[in-house]
Amino acid sequence: EPEVTQTPSHQVTQMGQEVILRCVPISNHLYFYWYRQILGQKVEFLVSFYNNEISEKSEIFDDQFSVERPDGSNFTLKIRSTKLEDSAMYFCASRPTGEVLHFGNGTRLTVT
Amino acid sequence: AQSVTQLGSHVSVSEGALVLLRCNYSSSVPPYLFWYVQYPNQGLQLLLKYTSAATLVKGINGFEAEFKKSETSFHLTKPSAHMSDAAEYFCAVSGGFGRFGAGTRLTVKP
Repeated sequence: EPEVTQTPSHQVTQMGQEVILRCVPISNHLYFYWYRQILGQKVEFLVSFYNNEISEKSEIFDDQFSVERPDGSNFTLKIRSTKLEDSAMYFCASRPTGEVLHFGNGTRLTVT
Repeated sequence: AQSVTQLGSHVSVSEGALVLLRCNYSSSVPPYLFWYVQYPNQGLQLLLKYTSAATLVKGINGFEAEFKKSETSFHLTKPSAHMSDAAEYFCAVSGGFGRFGAGTRLTVKP
């Protein structure tokens, strides 16, 4: 069964550095999402992406964040200057025209 | 605006006992409702979904949920808990984009 894949599984970075989290959504899906889950807390919506543009974003998704679909397969989340509080699991998700989201296994970002 | 509230951040049951995880929703339009499960160090996996067809929805691993419009609820149940059910469970409305509940951690005691 097709899966959403995320790389790397764990990323460690120093405060102030830029990170790019990578996702390969399921190939025929049209809508793409990033979520964040701080350890022990709830899943928080960051951004949704459709037709090569952001369709919705939360208040968490400030100017430090950006998303891109640089080619037909990848969907990336960039954090320009990481802060300690950016440490979290980041989940990518995609869906076709239906409502069900398919999640990747996440990237654990640790900012030191 | 749509939102969900999960009552109880932590539920503990004995193996073989009934599992009941509570979810209430708020929506100005007929909602789509979902339950996702998250096992340790993994992503979220769909358990079941309600999309305005039958109000009693059966999902994977013996779980089911009933949509009750009068109570604005979509509680998740399983008649007999198994050790492998220990996980975090999230209720979500309309696919979840932006609108997950806070999660309920289910512990199953032997």
